[in-house]
Amino acid sequence: NAGVTQTPKFQVLKTGQSMTLQCAQDMNHNSMYWYRQDPGMGLRLIYYSASEGTTDKGEVPNGYNVSRLNKREFSLRLESAAPSQTSVYFCASSERGGSNYGYTFGSGTRLTVV
Amino acid sequence: QKEVEQNSGPLSVPEGAIASLNCTYSDRGSQSFFWYRQYSGKSPELIMSIYSNGDKEDGRFTAQLNKASQYVSLLIRDSQPSDSATYLCAVNQYNFNKFYFGSGTKLNVKP
Repeated sequence: NAGVTQTPKFQVLKTGQSMTLQCAQDMNHNSMYWYRQDPGMGLRLIYYSASEGTTDKGEVPNGYNVSRLNKREFSLRLESAAPSQTSVYFCASSERGGSNYGYTFGSGTRLTVV
Repeated sequence: QKEVEQNSGPLSVPEGAIASLNCTYSDRGSQSFFWYRQYSGKSPELIMSIYSNGDKEDGRFTAQLNKASQYVSLLIRDSQPSDSATYLCAVNQYNFNKFYFGSGTKLNVKP
């Protein structure tokens, strides 16, 4: 049982380049999330998908887009990468929203924008 | 004011001691509270959840919630070097899909 799988694990981009971070879960969870983690800032929610077919903005959505491709997959796209987007990105899933259930996190993507 | 505040630490305790980690939150409407452990370079993993005032115990871990004072704490009894990690507090507000995380407290357990 893989849980939440993220690819790639590491990535270096030049300013202005685009890329898509992939996330897939095999736990039949309804809700999926994208967070970024920066030193001293904790985890900040970028976008989430409460259920298949829906997406909503979190705290820091600017510069990102998401796609909930199906129940398993939730991708995060950076259209024009900026150095401020250098961070560790975590995908997470939850069985039925976060209120009474914790998250299961993927292993993270360490992104550097130069 | 940040939604969730934690002392960044590091908090150093000797092996076998009780480690006490604290978290305060700003929104009185918060409903669910979680503690995650994150080892360096790894992803967070859920260790405790609490929803009602009082204490909740799970093995060596005890979560304490006081909604009137807007704080939640985590006690780790008989601390082990393997408990050395960053502990993140997460608080859910009125929107069940939005959790706010504290920046974490780094715990060092010295052998």
